[in-house]
Amino acid sequence: GQSLEQPSEVTAVEGAIVQINCTYQTSGFYGLSWYQQHDGGAPTFLSYNALDGLEETGRFSSFLSRSDSYGYLLLQELQMKDSASYFCAVEDGGATNKLIFGTGTLLAVQP
Amino acid sequence: DADVTQTPRNRITKTGKRIMLECSQTKGHDRMYWYRQDPGLGLRLIYYSFDVKDINKGEISDGYSVSRQAQAKFSLSLESAIPNQTALYFCATSDGVGTEAFFGQGTRLTVV
Repeated sequence: GQSLEQPSEVTAVEGAIVQINCTYQTSGFYGLSWYQQHDGGAPTFLSYNALDGLEETGRFSSFLSRSDSYGYLLLQELQMKDSASYFCAVEDGGATNKLIFGTGTLLAVQP
Repeated sequence: DADVTQTPRNRITKTGKRIMLECSQTKGHDRMYWYRQDPGLGLRLIYYSFDVKDINKGEISDGYSVSRQAQAKFSLSLESAIPNQTALYFCATSDGVGTEAFFGQGTRLTVV
């Protein structure tokens, strides 16, 4: 079957660094994406990794290890506005490479 | 105007009623998706379509049906709504593998 696992909740303080992990098990794999969602609003795209390694976009970075079926999202210099849910997602390859999401990690940033 | 528009934004319906949720997009994307979101369960795929003649079941398609009326329109129907279909529903579009998915603002559906 297909599954993506993430921690359900993470708490951190303003200015800190936090890492949200994602492990996946899929029948095929093209790449790992990360999305942010505030309070039940529309999820918005943050990053995409198709190859092993680290991708950096401002305060956010995303890492992928295909051999370990593992990735993470790294948020630096945390701000209160980063409080949100974060979802990893994979295109599962195969004939249809549909987009499958993890269960999400609720990040609470405290003053 | 939003790139991906869902209607209605909120709906309360009775058990056994048929209801349709609509999604339209101006992105020109071929790929469209319907997801439902429940607390603690993330976004679960209901149906997806990669072009007008293509319809595929997702993880949780039972009790739902879809119609891809045009490249820009993808509708989700609940033929006979039941209370455990109460959820937040999202439509999304993408341009292909490795590209960003764009989401609508969601439809909050309550079945009583």
